[in-house]
Amino acid sequence: KAGVTQTPRYLIKTRGQQVTLSCSPISGHRSVSWYQQTPGQGLQFLFEYFSETQRNKGNFPGRFSGRQFSNSRSEMNVSTLELGDSALYLCASSLLAGSGETQYFGPGTRLLVL
Amino acid sequence: GENVEQHPSTLSVQEGDSAVIKCTYSDSASNYFPWYKQELGKRPQLIIDIRSNVGEKKDQRIAVTLNKTAKHFSLHITETQPEDSAVYFCAASRDSGNTGKLIFGQGTTLQVKP
Repeated sequence: KAGVTQTPRYLIKTRGQQVTLSCSPISGHRSVSWYQQTPGQGLQFLFEYFSETQRNKGNFPGRFSGRQFSNSRSEMNVSTLELGDSALYLCASSLLAGSGETQYFGPGTRLLVL
Repeated sequence: GENVEQHPSTLSVQEGDSAVIKCTYSDSASNYFPWYKQELGKRPQLIIDIRSNVGEKKDQRIAVTLNKTAKHFSLHITETQPEDSAVYFCAASRDSGNTGKLIFGQGTTLQVKP
């Protein structure tokens, strides 16, 4: 099976712009989670989707949003970008939602905000 | 709140020696503890995981131990090799039924010197 894929891989934006990142899970996986990785804060949970429903949300401002489509693909959107949003955005997919489900990560989208 | 502390932040060992990384979690409802390895510029990859009904799990040169009473778990790598050099993250997930949200430790950079 193909692994988790993310597009685009690299992105440069300026402050105030918005960005949409895409994640395609492993075939058959129905749960997608998003994480932000920065040198200072490490890996932080953004949100989790299962069957097109947001199951959980991390402690991020409302500028960060996401959605999941009927084919389990997911997108996340960041509006009004700030310099501090520069990070590697990782998505992870699992077969089902719930503790104990193995999460497989994609390669990430590296976002640079200037 | 949910928190996972990981130590040490950096670890340097000689090839063939053992390496131990320790994590402590705060949420007593945590019941799933995966370990991820992230090589430079690559995605985090699951190397081993343990569930709360098990005290120890081993996979070739890698083992994980869990002490639920003390709320800590450790990764042990024996006979280290240069290709073990990477950043290792521990994580914890609470048993909440329908969410797989992972709380990550800050990471340990392991350097194996040939």
